[in-house]
Amino acid sequence: NAGVTQTPKFQVLKTGQSMTLQCAQDMNHNSMYWYRQDPGMGLRLIYYSASEGTTDKGEVPNGYNVSRLNKREFSLRLESAAPSQTSVYFCASSPLAGGSNTQYFGPGTRLTVL
Amino acid sequence: AQTVTQSQPEMSVQEAETVTLSCTYDTSENNYYLFWYKQPPSRQMILVIRQEAYKQQNATENRLSVNFQKAAKSFSLKISDSQLGDTAMYFCAFTLYTGANSKLTFGKGITLSVRP
Repeated sequence: NAGVTQTPKFQVLKTGQSMTLQCAQDMNHNSMYWYRQDPGMGLRLIYYSASEGTTDKGEVPNGYNVSRLNKREFSLRLESAAPSQTSVYFCASSPLAGGSNTQYFGPGTRLTVL
Repeated sequence: AQTVTQSQPEMSVQEAETVTLSCTYDTSENNYYLFWYKQPPSRQMILVIRQEAYKQQNATENRLSVNFQKAAKSFSLKISDSQLGDTAMYFCAFTLYTGANSKLTFGKGITLSVRP
C-alpha cells in the first residue's frame, strides 16, 4: 500500500497562473482533506470531502476549488495563484468522516508563488 | 470555536532524557478527542497518540505518554528515553465528538531537537 500520495512534490508558479494538486489514497477511505501549513500557523483545513460526491469548505477556502473525482482521488485547484498561497499543502484521508477518525497524511507539496 | 495553544515554539533535549511538550485547548464541550501528531524532517505527518476525553486513564504508546487534565484543559506529551529519531515537529490537535462534520483543529506546533 502506498497510502496517500501527492503530486507534484514541488512547484513554482507565477502570480496568476493556475494549477491542480493531485491526491490519491489506496486505503479505501471515505473521507479526504486538504490542509495548508504555514510557518508559525500549524495546519489549517482548506476543504474536505466527507464521502465520495460531497465537498465542504474548511477554515481557509478562499482562492481554492476541489474535486472529489472518485473515492480514491481528491484534487485541489488554484485558479489564479497569489503569493499568499505560497505554502506546503497536505492531503489526508480517514476511514470515515469526523475528526475522531485517524487521518493519514501524504508527503506534502511545497508550492511557491512568485 | 475551539482553539489549541502550543506556547513553546522550540525545545531541545539530550538523548536518553525525558521531555514534556505542552498543549492547552479551549472548548465548552464535554466530549472530544485529542491527538499528538509528529512531523519529522521528511514532512510526512503521523499520528503518535490519541486520547478520548471521556477516558480518565492517560494514553500511552511505548515511550510516549500523555498527561490529560480535563479540568485544566491541558494535554501534554511526555517522551521518555529520547532518541535521535524523535527529532521532529509535534502538533497537538483537537476535535469534537460529533458526526461527519467534526474537524481537526491543530496547534501551531513545537520543534523538538534531540541532541546526541
